[in-house]
Amino acid sequence: KAGVTQTPRYLIKTRGQQVTLSCSPISGHRSVSWYQQTPGQGLQFLFEYFSETQRNKGNFPGRFSGRQFSNSRSEMNVSTLELGDSALYLCASSLDGTSYNEQFFGPGTRLTVL
Amino acid sequence: DQQVKQNSPSLSVQEGRISILNCDYTNSMFDYFLWYKKYPAEGPTFLISISSIKDKNEDGRFTVFLNKSAKHLSLHIVPSQPGDSAVYFCAATGNQFYFGTGTSLTVIP
Repeated sequence: KAGVTQTPRYLIKTRGQQVTLSCSPISGHRSVSWYQQTPGQGLQFLFEYFSETQRNKGNFPGRFSGRQFSNSRSEMNVSTLELGDSALYLCASSLDGTSYNEQFFGPGTRLTVL
Repeated sequence: DQQVKQNSPSLSVQEGRISILNCDYTNSMFDYFLWYKKYPAEGPTFLISISSIKDKNEDGRFTVFLNKSAKHLSLHIVPSQPGDSAVYFCAATGNQFYFGTGTSLTVIP
């Protein structure tokens, strides 16, 4: 069974630009969550999608948005990039988002904002 | 506001000895706690968990202890092995996942 895949793995952008990150969950998984990892803050929850609907949202500004497609693939978009958005963005998938010990993470997308 | 805290950013332990990683939380409503292990260039992988109704859970070399009155949990690894060298994150669940900032464990051969 293929794991969670994220593309691209690395990205360099400049301030003010926007970026779209992609996550393909494990086959059969319908819940996709996104996290931001920074050295000082650890992993911070961005949002969770289940069956194309945003079910939960963390405390991030509206510049961070996402969506989920009918095949459960998810995209995350960050508009008007700031230097502080430089981070590792991780997505995780699970069957339905309730089995916490069965949440599988992808390798992440490393975003650098210059 | 960091609801889950790991106050030790790093820990070094000799191979064969015990590694103890600590985690504190502030929200008494958290009902499930987990530990994840992360190698460089990989996503975190689930290691062990504990429900708030228990105070201990064991899985092989890994044991998690929960002290609800102190809002504290710890992960014990016995014996520690060089392959255990990684960053360890604790997490707690309420309406969403809350992760700590991670502790980098180095097991010295």
